[in-house]
Amino acid sequence: QSVLTQPPSASGTPGQTVIISCSGSSSNIGNYYVSWYQQLPGTAPKLLIHTNDQRPSGVPDRMSGSKSGTSASLAISGLRSEDEADYYCAAWDASLRGHVFGPGTKVTVL
Amino acid sequence: EVQVVESGGGLVQPGGSLRLSCAASGFTVSSSDMHWVRQAAGKGLEWVSGIGTSGSTVYADSVKGRFTISRENVKNSLYLQMDSLRAGDTALYYCVRGEKGFDDWGQGTLVTVSS
Repeated sequence: QSVLTQPPSASGTPGQTVIISCSGSSSNIGNYYVSWYQQLPGTAPKLLIHTNDQRPSGVPDRMSGSKSGTSASLAISGLRSEDEADYYCAAWDASLRGHVFGPGTKVTVL
Repeated sequence: EVQVVESGGGLVQPGGSLRLSCAASGFTVSSSDMHWVRQAAGKGLEWVSGIGTSGSTVYADSVKGRFTISRENVKNSLYLQMDSLRAGDTALYYCVRGEKGFDDWGQGTLVTVSS
């Protein structure tokens, strides 16, 4: 049971916007940076967002992150078939003294 | 180009030991935070352990006291010594360079704990 909560699945049609939530507490998201990862089928995860809302070079601006209080969100706009993947949030947890990942959200493009 | 390549996985009996290695190129291991993250088949990501630039180490509760993370500057490599292995440790183990987040991932090495 992860200390971060994500919906198990999300879906949308091409061109739509999908928003994935990540809920935590003051021991993690509330006081530490959130990062997001995309894992395409059969591949290693890839950093999408760091420091709550920053995109590494090469990540399209269709991907955006935000944080408010003890929750964070990843928005994927202009949904494409190649966005079908699992998405994970992560943060440091002061109570556990370790990093934690959310359980992941599977995004399906209808 | 930043690259990390894991090795050392395999089949081991419960209670046994295994040492994973991660060869880094394109950056200096001692100048970066480094981590091990694992993923059981069909499951999510689980952070296992990390070592900072100062040499400080942290572990997930699930492996504390059984796993030891270390690095060797001369070989620019990261290691994970895994002792007292359990069936629940079966997973693909990723070596990860951390800078802004978990920035650069290897392809993983598979560890299977079974009799």
